[in-house]
Amino acid sequence: QVQLVQSGAEVKKPGASVKVSCKASGYTFTSYGISWVRQAPGQGLEWMGWISIYNGNTNYAQKLQGRVTMTTDTSTSTAYMELRSLRSDDTAVYYCARGGQYYPTRWFDSWGQGTLVTVSS
Amino acid sequence: DIVMTQSPDSLAVSLGERATINCKSSQSVLYSSNNKNFLAWYQQKPGQPPKLLIYWASTRESGVPDRFSGSGSGTDFTLTISSLQAEDVAVYYCQQYYNTPQTFGPGTKVDIK
Repeated sequence: QVQLVQSGAEVKKPGASVKVSCKASGYTFTSYGISWVRQAPGQGLEWMGWISIYNGNTNYAQKLQGRVTMTTDTSTSTAYMELRSLRSDDTAVYYCARGGQYYPTRWFDSWGQGTLVTVSS
Repeated sequence: DIVMTQSPDSLAVSLGERATINCKSSQSVLYSSNNKNFLAWYQQKPGQPPKLLIYWASTRESGVPDRFSGSGSGTDFTLTISSLQAEDVAVYYCQQYYNTPQTFGPGTKVDIK
């Protein structure tokens, strides 16, 4: 069955960077893309961006441009999301989700379990 | 950006009764070339990731009980739970994937009355 397994919780200081991984199994990794979605405590869902596993194309939310980088390692079927210059309002659960192969315009039919990133001095 | 709104913010329904959640987009999410609405619904229970229920506004994801149904077109959409079960207590989100940034509604919390 399709599974997305994310790395564990992180605690970071303001200004630091975090890199979250998302290991896929149960399907052909290059046939879909991966989006990242975050959820601040008690809040709703915020789309952060998307990467095509097929060709490496990315599409990032404008508010995160310059701070976020999404990459993949097809040899291990793993996607990564790095967020830099962390602020307290980046504290959230970060999810990876399976989406479109060529374009980000597709629903998310499988989600990782989530990674809590806490930014605190 | 397309802004998604949902109503109500929360609702409490008796077991076996119907629950209806509304979602409105600030612009149409109907793509004329394929006549499909780029609208999905998700269910999220506490401590869990969201779970896909509906895509293309009305197509039920495999394995989702048929008491869940989606309807609507253009800018106005509805998720209906025809007979509420205890396991349906959750927050429900609509999402547009018509363009980027993909955006979600603020969520509707469903409880048992």
